[in-house]
Amino acid sequence: RKEVEQDPGPFNVPEGATVAFNCTYSNSASQSFFWYRQDCRKEPKLLMSVYSSGNEDGRFTAQLNRASQYISLLIRDSKLSDSATYLCVVFDTGRRALTFGSGTRLQVQP
Amino acid sequence: DTEVTQTPKHLVMGMTNKKSLKCEQHMGHRAMYWYKQKAKKPPELMFVYSYEKLSINESVPSRFSPECPNSSLLNLHLHALQPEDSALYLCASSQGDRGAEAFFGQGTRLTVV
Repeated sequence: RKEVEQDPGPFNVPEGATVAFNCTYSNSASQSFFWYRQDCRKEPKLLMSVYSSGNEDGRFTAQLNRASQYISLLIRDSKLSDSATYLCVVFDTGRRALTFGSGTRLQVQP
Repeated sequence: DTEVTQTPKHLVMGMTNKKSLKCEQHMGHRAMYWYKQKAKKPPELMFVYSYEKLSINESVPSRFSPECPNSSLLNLHLHALQPEDSALYLCASSQGDRGAEAFFGQGTRLTVV
């Protein structure tokens, strides 16, 4: 079983749509969780950290369910500029480094 | 400032060459990382440095040799690489090795010919 699993997509949505990505992780001892965004041929950039209480940053909402080992990202009112690969990332306490899911590709269409 | 600077941005090298990738951060971060990313795949961890000491080596072949001269700099020395080593090499840093978010450099796109 992969440490971090994501649906690879692609998700093709129209502008203004709401889209949700899900992710599961295998290590119940994991403590820190993040969503990163990666544009084609660019480096991953931190989108937001994920907390059990849920957190929101503008059009983006992230949620963590520790009991189910499940992380989600909701994007409201999608923009063309949201088109990218979204990486679910978990801090591996054993290796003390970030472990990446395979990423979910989002394409927002006009 | 959340900037991690990597040089060079692009590198083409022959299988008998020796080259080095460089990474620099001035955020006072004490953990630095090398990741390798192939096309359409997520980044894969290679090395972790914590407080300037190598703490994790993910069974990386010895033709890749990391070095951390000081808390701001991280190098990756390359020797006798193979064409399959062609990839995007990403450097990242974080405040410590306890779970803080990491910030990535723009990467070095390496082609081995």
